[in-house]
Amino acid sequence: AQTVTQSQPEMSVQEAETVTLSCTYDTSESDYYLFWYKQPPSRQMILVIRQEAYKQQNATENRFSVNFQKAAKSFSLKISDSQLGDAAMYFCAYTYPRYSGGGADGLTFGKGTHLIIQP
Amino acid sequence: DTAVSQTPKYLVTQMGNDKSIKCEQNLGHDTMYWYKQDSKKFLKIMFSYNNKELIINETVPNRFSPKSPDKAHLNLHINSLELGDSAVYFCASSHVGLAGTGELFFGEGSRLTVL
Repeated sequence: AQTVTQSQPEMSVQEAETVTLSCTYDTSESDYYLFWYKQPPSRQMILVIRQEAYKQQNATENRFSVNFQKAAKSFSLKISDSQLGDAAMYFCAYTYPRYSGGGADGLTFGKGTHLIIQP
Repeated sequence: DTAVSQTPKYLVTQMGNDKSIKCEQNLGHDTMYWYKQDSKKFLKIMFSYNNKELIINETVPNRFSPKSPDKAHLNLHINSLELGDSAVYFCASSHVGLAGTGELFFGEGSRLTVL
């Protein structure tokens, strides 16, 4: 079974600084997708960034980037120039999409990291 | 236009009651899900439906019954509510198959409080 582990229950960073959130996962599949979702106090789940396992290049989205180490099964999220609006729970997630139809495994989530931004 | 909408957003009820949460998506996706987020914020899948067919049914009590009248709707009915059912329930949808990436689109969640 696939598992996703986030070892940092809470992280704190000064505004404008850089912070890295850790995530490791366990899978026997070679083709899969990894995600970081953000959940602010509004409760809405927001996709931050996505990485396809077959791509060697790390995904980036503006101030958000990942360090994807496939061999180590590690998928960390780096937030540069932290802003107050980045304060939220961050969830790492994994999925193995089935291409033969009928597959609907959804996402396996880590337990989340609560990110605090200090003004 | 809300992509995945859930109603109600908040629900407070007594133990033993029966309640339903409705979900609709207008994204044309073929797969819908129910996730439960507990008080520690842990998100766990409960059910998934692909083209109205039940695909995933995790270890959820029989008191929980999903119903998918069509691809765009997935409702969750809960019988004989218990205190431990208090949680936030998220509906989500995705497109699976060759064009799918597994990305989930979430509703805003429905906070259920059982007294």
